[in-house]
Amino acid sequence: LAKTTQPISMDSYEGQEVNITCSHNNIATNDYITWYQQFPSQGPRFIIQGYKTKVTNEVASLFIPADRKSSTLSLPRVSLSDTAVYYCLVVSGYSTLTFGKGTMLLVSP
Amino acid sequence: DVKVTQSSRYLVKRTGEKVFLECVQDMDHENMFWYRQDPGLGLRLIYFSYDVKMKEKGDIPEGYSVSREKKERFSLILESASTNQTSMYLCASSQDSPTNEKLFFGSGTQLSVL
Repeated sequence: LAKTTQPISMDSYEGQEVNITCSHNNIATNDYITWYQQFPSQGPRFIIQGYKTKVTNEVASLFIPADRKSSTLSLPRVSLSDTAVYYCLVVSGYSTLTFGKGTMLLVSP
Repeated sequence: DVKVTQSSRYLVKRTGEKVFLECVQDMDHENMFWYRQDPGLGLRLIYFSYDVKMKEKGDIPEGYSVSREKKERFSLILESASTNQTSMYLCASSQDSPTNEKLFFGSGTQLSVL
């Protein structure tokens, strides 16, 4: 099971772009990189998943370099409502998902 | 949208009581999971189930058991509640998928054991 490392916390201001990097040196060929978001008193919510290069959806972008040993979640123009914990997971089909401690993002006015 | 419903939002129980936490999902998902979340420890997997009547231990199964008699329902049982089981309990479900991308979580049950 590939272990992930991400910053414990990050601070930003409204309107800025936020990039959260996750390292996963032992990622396997069949593994996908997946990010979840968790607001206080709620369960985590799926944001985005990718295998390589770049993936973009209405919420975020995910950048994965060719060696796949790290990935970066990019949140464009954050708002106060983006304050949450963000989890980076490495998953393969039919395996259980292991959540680390995540990155606490605090967005200030 | 997938809905995962946990029966109670808050629960207060006494030490030694038998506690049932219920979870129901409405999307015919094969997989269901129970996690607990504690400050500074992240989410930890207690038990999961890949099919009716099947169960597998997660990372911290001690003191817990589960039941899955129907596909849509997954119950977590604390046989004899203890104070160290005070926690936020999160149920989740997912569809079988080669990329395993989406867990859908309920809103959680905050359990306090006094």
